[in-house]
Amino acid sequence: DAGVTQSPTHLIKTRGQHVTLRCSPISGHKSVSWYQQVLGQGPQFIFQYYEKEERGRGNFPDRFSARQFPNYSSELNVNALLLGDSALYLCASSRSGALSYNEQFFGPGTRLTVL
Amino acid sequence: KQEVTQIPAALSVPEGENLVLNCSFTDSAIYNLQWFRQDPGKGLTSLLLIQSSQREQTSGRLNASLDKSSGRSTLYIAASQPGDSATYLCAASMNRDDKIIFGKGTRLHILP
Repeated sequence: DAGVTQSPTHLIKTRGQHVTLRCSPISGHKSVSWYQQVLGQGPQFIFQYYEKEERGRGNFPDRFSARQFPNYSSELNVNALLLGDSALYLCASSRSGALSYNEQFFGPGTRLTVL
Repeated sequence: KQEVTQIPAALSVPEGENLVLNCSFTDSAIYNLQWFRQDPGKGLTSLLLIQSSQREQTSGRLNASLDKSSGRSTLYIAASQPGDSATYLCAASMNRDDKIIFGKGTRLHILP
């Protein structure tokens, strides 16, 4: 069975540009969560989507947005990139909506570098 | 506000030794605690998940324990191997606001 997949694996952008990251959950999983992991830190929660609706949002600016499609895949968009947005962006899927109650399965991540 | 702390930040041990990684959390109202492994630049691989009603979980050479009252979890690795070298992260799932809070991880290096 395929695990969580993310694309692209690596991305280099310049300040002010925007970026779109993509995630496909494990088949049968309806929840997708996005995390930002800066070097040397643990992952920080950005968004959760469940059944195509936003279910939770972390402490990130409005430059960050996301959506979930009918097939439960998801996109994370970041506008007006800053140097500080350079990080590994992780996607996690789970069967249902409650993050606390459901085991999270993580994808390999997208490494974003902002120059 | 929940804080998850992992000490030490880095650890080097000779191959074959048993070792313990520590995770502490400030708010005992957790639903579960999960241990992950992360190789450099890669995603997270789930190792063990302990429900709040459980005391420990075992998988192969790994054993994780949970003591909610003291706000601690430990990950015990038996007979360490060079392939165990990675960063180990713990994450607490909160009842109150349905969030998952990660520690910063412990970088483990097993010396051949």
